[in-house]
Amino acid sequence: GDSVTQMEGPVTLSEEAFLTINCTYTATGYPSLFWYVQYPGEGLQLLLKATKADDKGSNKGFEATYRKETTSFHLEKGSVQVSDSAVYFCALSDPAMNTGNQFYFGTGTSLTVIP
Amino acid sequence: GAGVSQSPRYKVAKRGQDVALRCDPISGHVSLFWYQQALGQGPEFLTYFQNEAQLDKSGLPSDRFFAERPEGSVSTLKIQRTQQEDSAVYLCASSLGGGSTDTQYFGPGTRLTVL
Repeated sequence: GDSVTQMEGPVTLSEEAFLTINCTYTATGYPSLFWYVQYPGEGLQLLLKATKADDKGSNKGFEATYRKETTSFHLEKGSVQVSDSAVYFCALSDPAMNTGNQFYFGTGTSLTVIP
Repeated sequence: GAGVSQSPRYKVAKRGQDVALRCDPISGHVSLFWYQQALGQGPEFLTYFQNEAQLDKSGLPSDRFFAERPEGSVSTLKIQRTQQEDSAVYLCASSLGGGSTDTQYFGPGTRLTVL
């Protein structure tokens, strides 16, 4: 079945460091891929998404490119800030599965940025 | 505009009690989803509605779990005879359409603790 594998956390970085959070997936069909972020005490918020191969999603300085050949959707940011401290979830939806609408989530990666 | 709201935010139940969790989706959103998130894990799909029709309930863990959306707007997730393993955060999400590329907008969740 479909699944998402995220890099294990927690991750601790200094402010202005480069961030990569790895995400790979297994899917039956051609999925759409998403990154969600959960700030402390808040709900899940969409960070970015890509709906077809080679698409790049970007938002708030974060980027991820849908790589079909490596089944990956790694999240990157060139210079993290303290305010980026949160838990990041990679997710997919697959039109080939059931009704095609449910999301499959990774386990989440906790990021702490220290000044 | 208003986002997805859920109530109660916190619920403590004694083992064997029935509970009802409410979700108010974004107005006009056709699709509504319920997810269960255990501590330190990513959300896992429970069930999906398109308007008032429950199109997928493959994720409901047992027949103690029941969901409804009778008028195609507000939804209720009911858990009968709660067990300790039901302790989790229950997330509701809605999306405008019914496609696999659609963004899902999440509520803050209801944290259920079963004693």
